[in-house]
Amino acid sequence: QVQLVESGGGVAQPGRSLRLSCVASDFSFGRHPMHWVRQAPGKGLEWVAVISYDGSDNYYADSVKGRFTISRDNSKNTLFLQMNSLTTDDTAVYYCAREEGERQLDYWGQGSLVTVSS
Amino acid sequence: DIQMTQSPSSLSASIGDRVTFTCRASQSIRTYLNWYQQKPGKDPKLLIYAASSLQSGVPSRFSGSGSGTDFTLTISNLQPEDFADYYCQQSYTPPYTFGQGTKLEIK
Repeated sequence: QVQLVESGGGVAQPGRSLRLSCVASDFSFGRHPMHWVRQAPGKGLEWVAVISYDGSDNYYADSVKGRFTISRDNSKNTLFLQMNSLTTDDTAVYYCAREEGERQLDYWGQGSLVTVSS
Repeated sequence: DIQMTQSPSSLSASIGDRVTFTCRASQSIRTYLNWYQQKPGKDPKLLIYAASSLQSGVPSRFSGSGSGTDFTLTISNLQPEDFADYYCQQSYTPPYTFGQGTKLEIK
């Protein structure tokens, strides 16, 4: 069945960088836009970024614009999130999610925890 | 950016009850509205997409309605497994914002 597995989370100091990966399996990865959504501890869901099926287009939340970059490698069924200039406000569980026809997010990964702390 | 406002922020109900959550968009989003359920420590689960379409595998006691700016999610005949957090999300235009969530608790 469809699987999305995130990795790359961990602890980073403020101002440093981290790169998240999300490996997809059991579906045609290159046919679907993909998203990152995050959830700070005890808080609600926050949409982060989306990338088109071929990587030619992307959009970001204002809170991460200019610091985060979403990308994908369709040959490796992998989605990425490069996170630079991290702040404590970026501490969250980061989920990757698949977009389906009406732009709904129908499959989600298990999440990867990013902690930004000095 | 489009703001999504959910009400109430929390709700207490009993097994067998019928409950309704509301989600309001700051501008028209046509029917680009999705509902997700999230249980503690778990990833979100898609329930309803395009305002009223039931995701495959989701019980028929869940239903959605609305268009434009006002939307509702209704759960009829509440079951123990339905107590969770519920989020709406607009997918009309990026940034694809979520509402702040509604926590459904057992009375």
